[in-house]
Amino acid sequence: AQKVTQAQTEISVVEKEDVTLDCVYETRDTTYYLFWYKQPPSGELVFLIRRNSFDEQNEISGRYSWNFQKSTSSFNFTITASQVVDSAVYFCALSDIYTDKLIFGTGTRLQVFP
Amino acid sequence: ETGVTQTPRHLVMGMTNKKSLKCEQHLGHNAMYWYKQSAKKPLELMFVYNFKEQTENNSVPSRFSPECPNSSHLFLHLHTLQPEDSALYLCASSQEINGGTDTQYFGPGTRLTVL
Repeated sequence: AQKVTQAQTEISVVEKEDVTLDCVYETRDTTYYLFWYKQPPSGELVFLIRRNSFDEQNEISGRYSWNFQKSTSSFNFTITASQVVDSAVYFCALSDIYTDKLIFGTGTRLQVFP
Repeated sequence: ETGVTQTPRHLVMGMTNKKSLKCEQHLGHNAMYWYKQSAKKPLELMFVYNFKEQTENNSVPSRFSPECPNSSHLFLHLHTLQPEDSALYLCASSQEINGGTDTQYFGPGTRLTVL
């Protein structure tokens, strides 16, 4: 069965610190997709990235970067030089290509203090 | 980005009321979803529609009744809810049901409180 684990329930940092949010997944499928979403206090889940299982290249988008390692079934998310506006709950998710379901982790609440 | 809108944003209802949640997507997508987000629980998929046809009902109680009149609109009709149904209800859309390849885009949610 598919599963996504975000072991960090809550992280607090001071502005300008780097922070890494961990995501570990379980699946028996060889083809799958991984996602990160951001949920600010307003409630909307904002799509950040999608990565398929055949593409292990790390990705950088501004202050955001993602480290995908199939060997450890991890898809970690790093925010460099964090800002107060980064405060939100971040969800990692895995899609099952046979049912198209998104399996979400329980989320990591990030608080960035000025 | 207002690709997926939801109304109302907040709703308080009694257990005997009937109300409806509305979702509209402006992205030209063909698949729409309802999720429930309760405190300290992972997001729970409730219903999936693909080209207006329901393809998934995740064992949701019958007091929740979805309706998808077209690919752009999705409703969730609520009737005789319980206090434990209080949660954030999120709507999402994707291009279509396509083997998990399509990204789901979410609306801002409706915060429901059942008294």
